[in-house]
Amino acid sequence: GESVGLHLPTLSVQEGDNSIINCAYSNSASDYFIWYKQESGKGPQFIIDIRSNMDKRQGQRVTVLLNKTVKHLSLQIAATQPGDSAVYFCYMKTSYDKVIFGPGTSLSVIP
Amino acid sequence: EPEVTQTPSHQVTQMGQEVILRCVPISNHLYFYWYRQILGQKVEFLVSFYNNEISEKSEIFDDQFSVERPDGSNFTLKIRSTKLEDSAMYFCASSGSGAPLHFGNGTRLTVT
Repeated sequence: GESVGLHLPTLSVQEGDNSIINCAYSNSASDYFIWYKQESGKGPQFIIDIRSNMDKRQGQRVTVLLNKTVKHLSLQIAATQPGDSAVYFCYMKTSYDKVIFGPGTSLSVIP
Repeated sequence: EPEVTQTPSHQVTQMGQEVILRCVPISNHLYFYWYRQILGQKVEFLVSFYNNEISEKSEIFDDQFSVERPDGSNFTLKIRSTKLEDSAMYFCASSGSGAPLHFGNGTRLTVT
């Protein structure tokens, strides 16, 4: 099964710096990965996704990297802004439609 | 941009009472989901629904829970006899085939 945990890692970055948020997974059958952002009082909001046949995908100010060998997913945010402060969840899905959220990382941007 | 809407935003109920949480998914989506998030914890999968039936459910989704799509637009989650530990944010989500899930802003359920 998937590794889970209740501890919420926290990342504090200075405004303008780059942020890197990491997510590890254990199910090698996962073939679709998504990063979500959750602001206080709101539902998770889609940021970017990547399929297992890719190792990198870029969006606006965000890049997702997938390393299937070590089962690791990362989200890079360039020039972090105060509006990026939120909890970031990685979400992984297998071809059998099993949906799993990672525990989340709280990003705090220091003005 | 179309969005998933959930009502009510906050529901307070007494232990043992039934509650129905309502969701209007994005209109052309075919897959529907309920998740919950206990305060300070991660988002947990409850159930997925496709073609008018449950496609997958978690161990959390026991006999006290049920889902229904009573018409072409609504998707509901019913908890028959609420317990204190059911207090959480409940998120509805929908998606097209092979597409990311779109979430509503949730219903905060407080069981007293």
